[in-house]
Amino acid sequence: NAGVTQTPKFQVLKTGQSMTLQCAQDMNHEYMSWYRQDPGMGLRLIHYSVGAGITDQGEVPNGYNVSRSTTEDFPLRLLSAAPSQTSVYFCASSYSGWRGDEQFFGPGTRLTVL
Amino acid sequence: QQQVKQSPQSLIVQKGGISIINCAYENTAFDYFPWYQQFPGKGPALLIAIRPDVSEKKEGRFTISFNKSAKQFSLHIMDSQPGDSATYFCAAGGSNDYKLSFGAGTTVTVRA
Repeated sequence: NAGVTQTPKFQVLKTGQSMTLQCAQDMNHEYMSWYRQDPGMGLRLIHYSVGAGITDQGEVPNGYNVSRSTTEDFPLRLLSAAPSQTSVYFCASSYSGWRGDEQFFGPGTRLTVL
Repeated sequence: QQQVKQSPQSLIVQKGGISIINCAYENTAFDYFPWYQQFPGKGPALLIAIRPDVSEKKEGRFTISFNKSAKQFSLHIMDSQPGDSATYFCAAGGSNDYKLSFGAGTTVTVRA
């Protein structure tokens, strides 16, 4: 099993550009989520999904879109990148959700917005 | 506004010493408290977790202590080793919510 994979590993964008961060898991997990990690802020939930076709907002959803057309994939779209979106982004998955289930994190995508 | 407050921000401990990280929360609906460990350049990984029906949980050199009345919980790393050098995050979640709230993180450095 590859676990949770994320691409790209690094990305530099200019303000106003759009892009999609890819996330895939091969563990047949129903629950997937996106976090951003900033110094002194810990991990903050952006969006999450409890199954294909079902998504909901987390703590910091503004400026980001998600969709879940398959169990395996959960892409994160930045609509119009801003310097405030410079961060490290982690995708995570778990069997049914956070309730006692271990969340498995991907290796992260480091995004810089100039 | 973080729902889980974590301290200290960083700590340095000698090999063989004890590392202690503290977390506090306000939301009484929280009933699941995991700790995640993150090495540089990697994603976080679950280290140990506790539910409020017990006051302590131990796994190897790692122990969670939980004080429900004070709404506080802590991670103790006994006999700290250089390989324990990492960032540690506490987190909390509630039974009626899919969202997990993380603390700000503590960077632990173990000196050989």
